[in-house]
Amino acid sequence: AQKVTQAQTEISVVEKEDVTLDCVYETRDTTYYLFWYKQPPSGELVFLIRRNSFDEQNEISGRYSWNFQKSTSSFNFTITASQVVDSAVYFCALSEQGSNYKLTFGKGTLLTVNP
Amino acid sequence: KAGVTQTPRYLIKTRGQQVTLSCSPISGHRSVSWYQQTPGQGLQFLFEYFSETQRNKGNFPGRFSGRQFSNSRSEMNVSTLELGDSALYLCASRRGERETQYFGPGTRLLVL
Repeated sequence: AQKVTQAQTEISVVEKEDVTLDCVYETRDTTYYLFWYKQPPSGELVFLIRRNSFDEQNEISGRYSWNFQKSTSSFNFTITASQVVDSAVYFCALSEQGSNYKLTFGKGTLLTVNP
Repeated sequence: KAGVTQTPRYLIKTRGQQVTLSCSPISGHRSVSWYQQTPGQGLQFLFEYFSETQRNKGNFPGRFSGRQFSNSRSEMNVSTLELGDSALYLCASRRGERETQYFGPGTRLLVL
C-alpha cells in the first residue's frame, strides 16, 4: 500500500531563514507521481509541483526548490529566504500509475514564518 | 481560466439531516474527485467521477454518495449526518488520466 510520511508536524522560523520540509513515501509501483500542495488558512489546496518517478532532476522555481531522491524515497521541499506569506500547511502527496484519480496525502507540515 | 468552484462554502447541519455539496470543475476537465479533510484523519479520498460515472470509491460508508452531470459538474450527498462528518470537503478536477488535480476552496460542514 502506498504511504506518505511528513515527520515534521510543525516548523516555526523567522523571516528570511531557509526551511526544508521533508517527505518520505512508500510505494510498490515503478511509475508514480509526487506532488506538493500548499494550504493557506482559507482552506484551498494550491498546487505547487509535480514530479514523475522517472524524472529525478531537481527543480527550482524562484525561492522554492525540490529535491527528489528515489534511492531514499524522499521528495523534500526547500523554501529559501522565507516570507510571512509562506505560512501555511504544506502537503506532500503520491499517486500511483493506474490510480491517478486518487492522491495519498501526508499529514501535512504547518509552517509558521514569523516577522 | 476560472478555477474549481464549490458551493456553499460553509454549512451548518444537525445530526440526522442530509446535505448536498456542489463542485464545478475547471472548464474542459472531465474528472472530479472528492476528498474529506479532518484534523484526525487528514485528507482522505472519497470518490471520483468521470463522464458521469463513478469510477472509484474510497473507504467510506454508503451514506456518502455523489453524481456527475453531463457538464462535468458534480455533487456529493451525505445522508443521516453524524457528528463525525464535520469536515472540510474538497473537490478536485483534472483534465485527463495523468494530469494534475486542481482543488477548489472547499466546503466547511459543521454537524451539530
